[in-house]
Amino acid sequence: DAGITQSPRHKVTETGTPVTLRCHQTENHRYMYWYRQDPGHGLRLIHYSYGVKDTDKGEVSDGYSVSRSKTEDFLLTLESATSSQTSVYFCAISEAGQVGETQYFGPGTRLLVL
Amino acid sequence: GDSVTQMEGPVTLSEEACLTINCTYTATGYPSLFWYVQYPGEGLQLLLKATKADDKGSNKGFEATYRKETTSFHLEKGSVQVSDSAVYFCALSLPGGGGADGLTFGKGTHLIIQP
Repeated sequence: DAGITQSPRHKVTETGTPVTLRCHQTENHRYMYWYRQDPGHGLRLIHYSYGVKDTDKGEVSDGYSVSRSKTEDFLLTLESATSSQTSVYFCAISEAGQVGETQYFGPGTRLLVL
Repeated sequence: GDSVTQMEGPVTLSEEACLTINCTYTATGYPSLFWYVQYPGEGLQLLLKATKADDKGSNKGFEATYRKETTSFHLEKGSVQVSDSAVYFCALSLPGGGGADGLTFGKGTHLIIQP
């Protein structure tokens, strides 16, 4: 299994509070991704990173920001959480971001915004 | 835009039955195609993939063939087991962004295998 951990694994928070989710990898892969999984939508890309300090937006980036100060860590921040951001969040990594390359997924973080 | 369509289910089968989960895609260009599986409470893991037309991916008794003419990548297994119960996602990645744009997923198919 690829060395990917996510923390926390579960979180309950209140509307309007900031939340930061962490993804940590031990594979030294260049690309890292944040997805959210919702019933009826599959997984949708929030943001991705192609190197330290290099990030870009995905399909559903509104309300989210990311940072990557080290190769191994990719942080997802909800500046002011809303109930619509209740979801399961998955981090993924890939070595070089090439077409056809496998992405490896972390175990997920279940977030509930009350 | 680019998209993946698959049956959502749940699909309920008896053990040892044959399985087909349909997946079709719409894409500008020639994507790579993937099947990922998610067991209860876990993250996604790659089941199989194909990177060009007519390629067949296979793993753990599952197979899927990249059909460019029908823009499909149907997942098949000849004899399912209770342990195959999971959610299955079809996905694609496209050139141009070098794959760095991430994967585009279908909505997932929940498969339930009864003993």
